[in-house]
Amino acid sequence: DAGVTQSPTHLIKTRGQQVTLRCSPKSGHDTVSWYQQALGQGPQFIFQYYEEEERQRGNFPDRFSGHQFPNYSSELNVNALLLGDSALYLCASSMGFRDEQYFGPGTRLTVT
Amino acid sequence: GDSVTQMEGPVTLSEEAFLTINCTYTATGYPSLFWYVQYPGEGLQLLLKATKADDKGSNKGFEATYRKETTSFHLEKGSVQVSDSAVYFCALSDRSGGSNYKLTFGKGTLLTVNP
Repeated sequence: DAGVTQSPTHLIKTRGQQVTLRCSPKSGHDTVSWYQQALGQGPQFIFQYYEEEERQRGNFPDRFSGHQFPNYSSELNVNALLLGDSALYLCASSMGFRDEQYFGPGTRLTVT
Repeated sequence: GDSVTQMEGPVTLSEEAFLTINCTYTATGYPSLFWYVQYPGEGLQLLLKATKADDKGSNKGFEATYRKETTSFHLEKGSVQVSDSAVYFCALSDRSGGSNYKLTFGKGTLLTVNP
């Protein structure tokens, strides 16, 4: 049973560029949430997708956008990258709106 | 809004010592409470959870009890091992106010266990 997978593992981008991160949920899960974890901090909720729609959003600017595909996989897009966007981006999945979420290994984004 | 406050780290213990990591929360509704663990270079793993007052979550020798009267969910383990060295996060999930189970995390506590 495959768990949550994310790609790529690491990414280095330059300020002003755009980046796309990908997530495949755990088998049988249809809801995907994205979190940003800055170094030494706890994860912060970015947004949540269910039935291909954004259902909830945290306190992040519009530069952060996402998408969910019919197979429940998801993308996180960040435009106009800032140095402060450097972080570990975590994807979590659940079966519907459940409090138990399973996390992937994350994508480490470095903005230079 | 919802918030989680957990004990500042780092915490350094010797093997077989007793562990307590304090966690308190503020929530508008009646949240579920969690402890997640993050090993170096990895994502988060759910360690244990509790969904209502006086529930005790337990896993791998770790325990935490949902205390509604003190809004706390302290993590304990009677005898830590070197392999328990990791960062521990307390978190809550609140369904009230249209919040569809988004997780709110504390800042994390780094635990180092020496042999």
